[in-house]
Amino acid sequence: NAGVTQTPKFRILKIGQSMTLQCAQDMNHNYMYWYRQDPGMGLKLIYYSVGAGITDKGEVPNGYNVSRSTTEDFPLRLELAAPSQTSVYFCASSSTGTATEAFFGQGTRLTVV
Amino acid sequence: AQSVTQLDSHVSVSEGTPVLLRCNYSSSYSPSLFWYVQHPNKGLQLLLKYTSAATLVKGINGFEAEFKKSETSFHLTKPSAHMSDAAEYFCVVSFNDYKLSFGAGTTVTVRA
Repeated sequence: NAGVTQTPKFRILKIGQSMTLQCAQDMNHNYMYWYRQDPGMGLKLIYYSVGAGITDKGEVPNGYNVSRSTTEDFPLRLELAAPSQTSVYFCASSSTGTATEAFFGQGTRLTVV
Repeated sequence: AQSVTQLDSHVSVSEGTPVLLRCNYSSSYSPSLFWYVQHPNKGLQLLLKYTSAATLVKGINGFEAEFKKSETSFHLTKPSAHMSDAAEYFCVVSFNDYKLSFGAGTTVTVRA
């Protein structure tokens, strides 16, 4: 049972480059989330989705985009990378919203230089 | 405003002694409450959760937490720390159906 799988694990980007962080879950969860983790700040919600075809902004969406064409996949797109996007990104999923357990991926450590 | 505050950014304990991690929340109604643990370079793992059943919640690895509505607190405890408990711990609150609010985290160091 793979759970939530994120790729890549590490990435270095130059300022202005673009990339997509991949996230896939095999638990048939409707809810999926993208968080970023900065030191001493906990995790901040970037975007979330309550089902295929439905996405919405979280607390810190600027500079990011998402799509949800299938239940399993929820990629996060960075269009013009900036140093402020240096962070650790976590994808998570849950079955019926946040009153139930959220399952997290292993994270993607992104550095923008 | 709804928020969650972890009162200690760092806790250091000796192996075999109790651990106490403090968490307070601010909310106009009773939220769902969680504690997650993150070991170095790993994802987050659920330790325990409170969803309006018993106020004393038991989790994995000997951890437990007590929900006190009058104090708006959800402190995490373990009677005897083990070296493997060294990690970062997050108090997490669900105020609605889609958003988890994370505390800033408490780093636990366990001394031999």
